[in-house]
Formats: sequence, structure tokens, C-alpha cells
Amino acid sequence: AAGVIQSPRHLIKEKRETATLKCYPIPRHDTVYWYQQGPGQDPQFLISFYEKMQSDKGSIPDRFSAQQFSDYHSELNMSSLELGDSALYFCASSLVEESTEAFFGQGTRLTVV
Amino acid sequence: EDKVVQSPLSLVVHEGDTVTLNCSYEVTNFRSLLWYKQEKKAPTFLFMLTSSGIEKKSGRLSSILDKKELSSILNITATQTGDSAIYLCAVDNNDMRFGAGTRLTVKP
Repeated sequence: AAGVIQSPRHLIKEKRETATLKCYPIPRHDTVYWYQQGPGQDPQFLISFYEKMQSDKGSIPDRFSAQQFSDYHSELNMSSLELGDSALYFCASSLVEESTEAFFGQGTRLTVV
Repeated sequence: EDKVVQSPLSLVVHEGDTVTLNCSYEVTNFRSLLWYKQEKKAPTFLFMLTSSGIEKKSGRLSSILDKKELSSILNITATQTGDSAIYLCAVDNNDMRFGAGTRLTVKP
């Protein structure tokens, strides 16, 4: 069965560069959630989208933006990268009306140098 | 192949009961184990465990990691209907690998 796909799996960027992370939900899923987990830190919810509209917002920095496209995949855009942005970014998808279960991707590990 | 297995897959209890959810893993380069609660919204982070034998507690929820047994348990005491959810276990080994979840239903 298809799972949540994140790309790239690993990314190395320099300070002040930009990065774009992608999340492809399970087919038919209409909701995407983004999380950030820094080294040794608890995961933080960043933002979620339902039917291409932002549905919930967590601790997403102003330098970051995200959107969900017509095919339901989502992209997290990160600008002016800082060393502290180095983290594992993972996303989850769900089909809100039919199930409470979310399925997670394996994450993108971003390293800012 | 890395894997994370949760049990049971589904559990139905009555309010006031105590439940224990299990998570076992086989992964390389283990970093930490995480528990989440999933309702009809963004999954909520509960605990992150990195050291064996140290219990983490939050209200009626507690969790402990056993690195020797490659497993963790999540305990919920005096369950309430609001505890009904899917509880997800994840292992961070440079990727984030999730179990299939345990669907807990607490009946009044």
C-alpha cells in the first residue's frame, strides 16, 4: 500500500539559503500535518492543511511558509535558513471525514551548515 | 528491515479502567521513541523517551522505555471517554518510523 512520501530524505543547506520540503499524502487523503523535531527536542507541530486550506497553525516561524496543492501534496518552504532550523521535518496525512488515523512519512532531515 | 509494532491494534474499555499500550521496535541507530495521541486533528505529542527505565508522566498518562527489551509501554489510568483516540508510537533512528497505532475506545 502507498504510504506518505517525503522528499528529499536528507538535505544540507547553508545559512541564509532556502529549502523546500515536499510531502505526498496517501491517495485520497485530504489533510496534511507538518512537524519539526530538533536534535534532542520534543516534536513541534508546525501547520496543517485540509482541502488545500490552512486548517491549524502551530509554532511555524515567519520565515517558513507552506501550502497544499490541488493534488493534495504539500510543500514547506523555508527561507533565510538558520543553524537552528536543522531538524527532522516529518509530515502526516489523514482523511478527516472517514478516519481519525494519521499516517506519517519517514521525514526529511535538514542540516543547515 | 526496521519496524515498529504496536499492540493491541484495538482496545475497548470502560471509564475508570487502566490500560497499557505496547510498542516494540527493531531498528538500527535508535535515537528515541515517541508517543502521540491522534484524534480528529493534528496528532498530539505525548512523550519522548531516550533513556531506559525512566518513567515520564503527565497526569494520568505515563510511559517508560526498555531498551533491553526494545519496547515501551504507555499507561493510562482512570480512563475517560476523552482518552478515546489512536495512540501512535514512533521511533527516531534518523528517520521517523511509526507503528500502526492502537485504537482505544473508552465507553461511559
